[in-house]
Amino acid sequence: GAVVSQHPSWVICKSGTSVKIECRSLDFQATTMFWYRQFPKQSLMLMATSNEGSKATYEQGVEKDKFLINHASLTLSTLTVTSAHPEDSSFYICSARTGAGANVLTFGAGSRLTVL
Amino acid sequence: GQQVMQIPQYQHVQEGEDFTTYCNSSTTLSNIQWYKQRPGGHPVFLIQLVKSGEVKKQKRLTFQFGEAKKNSSLHITATQTTDVGTYFCAGRLGSGTYKYIFGTGTRLKVLA
Repeated sequence: GAVVSQHPSWVICKSGTSVKIECRSLDFQATTMFWYRQFPKQSLMLMATSNEGSKATYEQGVEKDKFLINHASLTLSTLTVTSAHPEDSSFYICSARTGAGANVLTFGAGSRLTVL
Repeated sequence: GQQVMQIPQYQHVQEGEDFTTYCNSSTTLSNIQWYKQRPGGHPVFLIQLVKSGEVKKQKRLTFQFGEAKKNSSLHITATQTTDVGTYFCAGRLGSGTYKYIFGTGTRLKVLA
């Protein structure tokens, strides 16, 4: 079946630095990927929709300059948390769907970010 | 904005007991999906329901989509310790989008 690889699985960084998280579809082309944020014991909050070759669409309340999303190829989307602060510490999960007609979301394993 | 609520938030059951989680949307959904997230893991797709009133079964799991396409339920018969985890419903808002709004989740603990 479809596999989505997310890297790194966990990262610790200092406040003020930037962190990049990669999301790759391993055996299929993902025209659309989604980035979610999940706080401990809470639901998944959709942050943005990443479309290959075009700008990401951000959900209301999500700072686009803070969370930079790039979807340069059909198999890779990246989320960069810029100038990270402790409140950005969270579990970030990407998901992907394949081409037209595919409704199932395949999730990556997630990336746990801790900002000191 | 659109909201998808699930009840209960938590459920502890004895192994062998049944379990049900309910999902309610403030707006009509195009379709609904259910996911299971084990502790420390990521969500894993379980099933998708599309038609009004649809019922689907997967072994001990029964999924139902309401007639108005605004609510859904997941019922587990004779729970096992392997059923432990958080169950999320995710509603698709319209046929023109592939955005899914996740429910608040129900965390299930099964006591052996």
